[in-house]
Amino acid sequence: DAKTTQPPSMDCAEGRAANLPCNHSTISGNEYVYWYRQIHSQGPQYIIHGLKNNETNEMASLIITEDRKSSTLILPHATLRDTAVYYCIVRVSSARQLTFGSGTQLTVLP
Amino acid sequence: EAGVAQSPRYKIIEKRQSVAFWCNPISGHATLYWYQQILGQGPKLLIQFQNNGVVDDSQLPKDRFSAERLKGVDSTLKIQPAKLEDSAVYLCASSLDGGRRTEAFFGQGTRLTVV
Repeated sequence: DAKTTQPPSMDCAEGRAANLPCNHSTISGNEYVYWYRQIHSQGPQYIIHGLKNNETNEMASLIITEDRKSSTLILPHATLRDTAVYYCIVRVSSARQLTFGSGTQLTVLP
Repeated sequence: EAGVAQSPRYKIIEKRQSVAFWCNPISGHATLYWYQQILGQGPKLLIQFQNNGVVDDSQLPKDRFSAERLKGVDSTLKIQPAKLEDSAVYLCASSLDGGRRTEAFFGQGTRLTVV
């Protein structure tokens, strides 16, 4: 699986958009980008995933650059409950497990 | 839909003792994972089952860790004997088929402290 690089921490004001970056410069054509988050004392929770096109669901939007070497997870209106560690994961099509890095600690400030 | 159930929620044992964790995945999920999460780190895969067969156990310390998934449903993870460095949260997750399109659902984990 391609490695990912994320900033260790970020702050965001409540009600504002949180933009979490992820670099995956060695990504190959059949690898998907997944995002999970882990709220304190809970297990990780799936947010969204994509291959090439931008994706949106009820939780977030995923923007993948045209060369697919980086992506951004967008939480459009961050709330205090969005404070968590966010993991960006690149997953080969034939592999089945998720390989977690250290993630980004997002703190939403009141 | 019921989530992934794990027990116990917390466990404190002395080093060299044995411990077992139990996981009940979401009904119908063929794939089951056990992850170890040390404080401050991301989860690390220990073992993955597809139904009751092992798909990947390359990172499982087999001299002390064992896991089974009888009848392709519930699973237990055992540590015998425990070491101080085994202190961590043990997470169980399940997914429909483990393929790239399906998300994994995680339980709340079991926090193990070895003293």
